[in-house]
Amino acid sequence: QSVLTQPPSVSGAPGQRVTFSCTGSSSNIGAGYDVHWYQQLPETAPKLLMYGNNNRPSGVPDRFSGSKSGTSASLSITGLQADDEADYYCQSYDSSLNGYVFGTGTKVTVL
Amino acid sequence: QVQLQESGPGLVKPSETLSLACTVSGGSISSSDNYWGWIRQPPGKGLEWIGSIYYSGTTYENPSLKSRLIISVETSKNQFSLKLNSVTAADTAVYYCARQREFRGARAGTYYCDSWGQGTLVTVSS
Repeated sequence: QSVLTQPPSVSGAPGQRVTFSCTGSSSNIGAGYDVHWYQQLPETAPKLLMYGNNNRPSGVPDRFSGSKSGTSASLSITGLQADDEADYYCQSYDSSLNGYVFGTGTKVTVL
Repeated sequence: QVQLQESGPGLVKPSETLSLACTVSGGSISSSDNYWGWIRQPPGKGLEWIGSIYYSGTTYENPSLKSRLIISVETSKNQFSLKLNSVTAADTAVYYCARQREFRGARAGTYYCDSWGQGTLVTVSS
């Protein structure tokens, strides 16, 4: 059972903005550990989308942005496009578990 | 550009040992900047971190799997491996290997996976 909770799904029309959360606790995000995000297109391996809360790897468009506050983090996608349809996972470190944890995952649907 | 490739049997019998290797190309597994990790994803479910290893052999394991898990590294082959014993159907998953890099933020030790293998499906069934 994951210690990072995400909404199961979000949806939006092309061009719209969607934002979804990754909620943790005082032993992970709330303890100051950074959050990273991955995008998983259907039937493919996850791909790094955001590292260190709000840093985009080379090649990731600036339509994607991240933030962290308190015990939560969030990922926003602006100008939603059809090829943004994917599962998105957050990841951090948990000091109680002494290991890395992933979020439950959010499926983004473009209407 | 580093690439990772998982290899190993796609079918394992219950109670036996699951063994996978990850071969790294385009970069050295002995780089001091990286850990190397295993992550799995049961069919239709989310990601689960299994464990990580440094080139020196230092390991970190998911507490829920630690008693059944061995992660090792062979620097001469630029390869690291996973052995999970006493498997059950609950261990059926796509297994990924990944390179983990440290983000030096407010708290030390937060690693992220910047390169992933394509994944390999391991089914536990008799």
